[in-house]
Amino acid sequence: DGGITQSPKYLFRKEGQNVTLSCEQNLNHDAMYWYRQDPGQGLRLIYYSQIVNDFQKGDIAEGYSVSREKKESFPLTVTSAQKNPTAFYLCASSIRSTGRTSYEQYFGPGTRLTVT
Amino acid sequence: SQQGEEDPQALSIQEGENATMNCSYKTSINNLQWYRQNSGRGLVHLILIRSNEREKHSGRLRVTLDTSKKSSSLLITASRAADTASYFCATDGNFGNEKLTFGTGTRLTIIP
Repeated sequence: DGGITQSPKYLFRKEGQNVTLSCEQNLNHDAMYWYRQDPGQGLRLIYYSQIVNDFQKGDIAEGYSVSREKKESFPLTVTSAQKNPTAFYLCASSIRSTGRTSYEQYFGPGTRLTVT
Repeated sequence: SQQGEEDPQALSIQEGENATMNCSYKTSINNLQWYRQNSGRGLVHLILIRSNEREKHSGRLRVTLDTSKKSSSLLITASRAADTASYFCATDGNFGNEKLTFGTGTRLTIIP
């Protein structure tokens, strides 16, 4: 049963604490992405990785960090430096683009993070 | 920044009617994709249309692309209650797939 999983579904943290969101895929995809979605809004790209041990900042990387030590895993850490961390976080994966061709992205179910 | 803007922001129609959503974008693209999101869930890919295509069909979905106007439309025919969701367009610009830019979405409600 192939797919992309995120855990946990709901996460609650106190302000000032770092928190790590898990993302795992068994689709054999090289590329993985993290997005943030605020209520009633579209998705904004936080970080993306096209290959193991390499990742790039997206549009809103400040206050976040990632690692890509394994092809299947792309965890996101929300640090205490992120000023407004409460949001819905979505992880996605896709075939890596090597030219002008785009591919569909497969999304996980998301993690809703609440920081108080 | 969000390149795509969907219009309308919200749409309510009776079951069985057709639903049309529009997407406008600002810069040149290679491809445009449409996704659906049920409330509180991840996104599901619906259809991808390349910049050299003008129209594409998939089941009850019809997508058009007008690169001269930098716009796309998604038509859902014979709507069903299960089509209730938010719909997003996403563009890849000229940098391939590693960065998709999503629009703000259209919230579609199908009234049984």
